[in-house]
Amino acid sequence: EAQVTQNPRYLITVTGKKLTVTCSQNMNHEYMSWYRQDPGLGLRQIYYSMNVEVTDKGDVPEGYKVSRKEKRNFPLILESPSPNQTSLYFCASSLGGRGTDTQYFGPGTRLTVL
Amino acid sequence: KQEVTQIPAALSVPEGENLVLNCSFTDSAIYNLQWFRQDPGKGLTSLLLIQSSQREQTSGRLNASLDKSSGRSTLYIAASQPGDSATYLCAAPPGGQNFVFGPGTRLSVLP
Repeated sequence: EAQVTQNPRYLITVTGKKLTVTCSQNMNHEYMSWYRQDPGLGLRQIYYSMNVEVTDKGDVPEGYKVSRKEKRNFPLILESPSPNQTSLYFCASSLGGRGTDTQYFGPGTRLTVL
Repeated sequence: KQEVTQIPAALSVPEGENLVLNCSFTDSAIYNLQWFRQDPGKGLTSLLLIQSSQREQTSGRLNASLDKSSGRSTLYIAASQPGDSATYLCAAPPGGQNFVFGPGTRLSVLP
C-alpha cells in the first residue's frame, strides 16, 4: 500500500531533550516536506526537500533540523525542544521534485513539550 | 510572499444542499492549486489538483475552478452528505517549492 508513515504518533517530552520524528514514504517520491499545524495559525511548512541531500527552509524552520540521506526517509530533528514546539506535525511527499504534484500526507505526530 | 485566505471560516448546511467554498491567493504565479480535506485529528487527503493551465477539475460530486488572473479558486460540492463534514484546505504553491496553505473552511453537513 502506498503510504507515508510517521513515528511516533504521540510523544510527550521535556524541554531540552533531543528528539527525532521519523518519516518514510514507499512511493519513490522526490519531494518531501514537514509541516506543523497549530490552532488559529493553520498549516505551516517547516522544511522541504526536492531530492536526496537537497533541503530548504519553509516558513517556520527555527528550532528544527532535517536531513535527506535516502530518498524514502526525511526525519525531523528537534535538538533542544521548547514548549512552543508543542504542535501537530505532518510529513508529506509528492512525486515531482518541485512539489507540484499531489501531496500525500502522513497521519501526523502529536508532540507535547513540557 | 504568498498569502492564502479562505471564506467562509465555517459553514453549516442541511444534507442535500449544494455549496461553494472559496480560496483566494495573492501571488498568481502558481504551478497549481490543490484542495485537501482534513478530518479531525487526521492527516490531509488530496481532493483535486488544478494545473495552472486548467480552469477546472472534477471528481465525483466535487468540482474545483481556478481563475489565476483574479487569484481565486472555488470548490463546489453537490448534494452534500454528512460524510462530507470536515475541514477543507486549499494550497497555492508559487514556483512549486514553498507550500502555503489557507486556514481552511470547517464544514458541517447536518442529517
